[in-house]
Parts: sequence; structure tokens; C-alpha cells
Amino acid sequence: KAGVTQTPRYLIKTRGQQVTLSCSPISGHRSVSWYQQTPGQGLQFLFEYFSETQRNKGNFPGRFSGRQFSNSRSEMNVSTLELGDSALYLCASRQQSTDTQYFGPGTRLTVL
Amino acid sequence: TQLLEQSPQFLSIQEGENLTVYCNSSSVFSSLQWYRQEPGEGPVLLVTVVTGGEVKKLKRLTFQFGDARKDSSLHITAAQTGDTGLYLCAAFANTGNQFYFGTGTSLTVIP
Repeated sequence: KAGVTQTPRYLIKTRGQQVTLSCSPISGHRSVSWYQQTPGQGLQFLFEYFSETQRNKGNFPGRFSGRQFSNSRSEMNVSTLELGDSALYLCASRQQSTDTQYFGPGTRLTVL
Repeated sequence: TQLLEQSPQFLSIQEGENLTVYCNSSSVFSSLQWYRQEPGEGPVLLVTVVTGGEVKKLKRLTFQFGDARKDSSLHITAAQTGDTGLYLCAAFANTGNQFYFGTGTSLTVIP
């Protein structure tokens, strides 16, 4: 079975721009979660989508948004980028039966 | 406050030595996962422990889930340079209905 895939792997943007990241979960997994990872804050939960609905949301500003499509693929959007948004953005798909998450390789976003 | 506390935060050891990493909480979990992450990559799942008192072995790695399902440990025997990485524990909590991650243990194995 193919793992979780994320595109692109690397992105460089400037302040004020917006960005869209994409994630394809493991086949059969309907839950997709997004995390932001920085050296200072560790892994922080952004949101989770299940069957095209946002099921849970972390403590991030409204500039961070997401959506999920009928094939379970998910996108995350960050608008009006700030320097502090530079981070590794990780997507994870969840196996419901064991409450286990499997991560993609991440998208490294650098905001200049 | 962190739901899952890991210790130690940093660990630097010589190749061939043994080490133990701890993951503690005051909450009870139905399962707990351990991941290893290399720089610039996503965390890779090592193991899921489900039953209180459970011990799982993965080659030189031994994982234990506490009897009360509140804590877990990861023991590495005869560490190798390839074990270098960030080790994270994680668990799903009904409170908040989300996964929580430990603070992480950064392990460096020196040849």
C-alpha cells in the first residue's frame, strides 16, 4: 500500500503571499490531520478532516484553513504569510481501528 | 501544559551503549505510538502499544506500555549511529478529540 504523500516537498514564499499544500492519505483512510512543526514549538495540531468535514481544529489563526475532497485528499492553505509560518508542515492519515497515524514526508515552507 | 512528557529531552551516547526514553502522562490512553523522525522528514511509526503491561520488541528496540496505560518506555540495546533521530511518543485523547505528541527526545549516537 502506498504511504502518505505530500506535495510540494519544498516551498519558498515571501511575506504576504499565500500557499496551498496538498496531501494524499493512505488508501482507505478517511481521516487526514495537519501539523506544524518548528524547533521551538514541536509538533502542533492544526486541524483534522474526516469525510470532507473538519472534525477538529487546533489553536491557529484563521489564516490557516483546509479542506478535504471526496477521494480523501486534503489541501491546506495559509494566507497572508508571516515569517513565523516558516516550518515543516506534516500531514497524517489515521487508521481508525488502532487510532494510529501515519505521516507523510512533510512540506518545508520557508517565508522570506 | 503538555499531555505527554518525554525524558530526557536530549541524549548523546556512544555506539554500543544502551538507553531508555520515557513518555509519561496523568491521562489514560487506549493506545500509544512511538515514532522516529529524521531531520526534514516526517515521523515514521515504530510501534503501537495497546494493552496495559504490553512489551513489544523490534530488533534492538523494546517498547513497554505501563500497566495503567498512562506511560511508556522505549529501550534501545547496543545503539548504532543509524538510531540517531528524534523520538516521539503520541496518543489519542478523547479530551480534545485529537492526537497529542510528546516533547520529543533527540538522540545522537556517536561512532
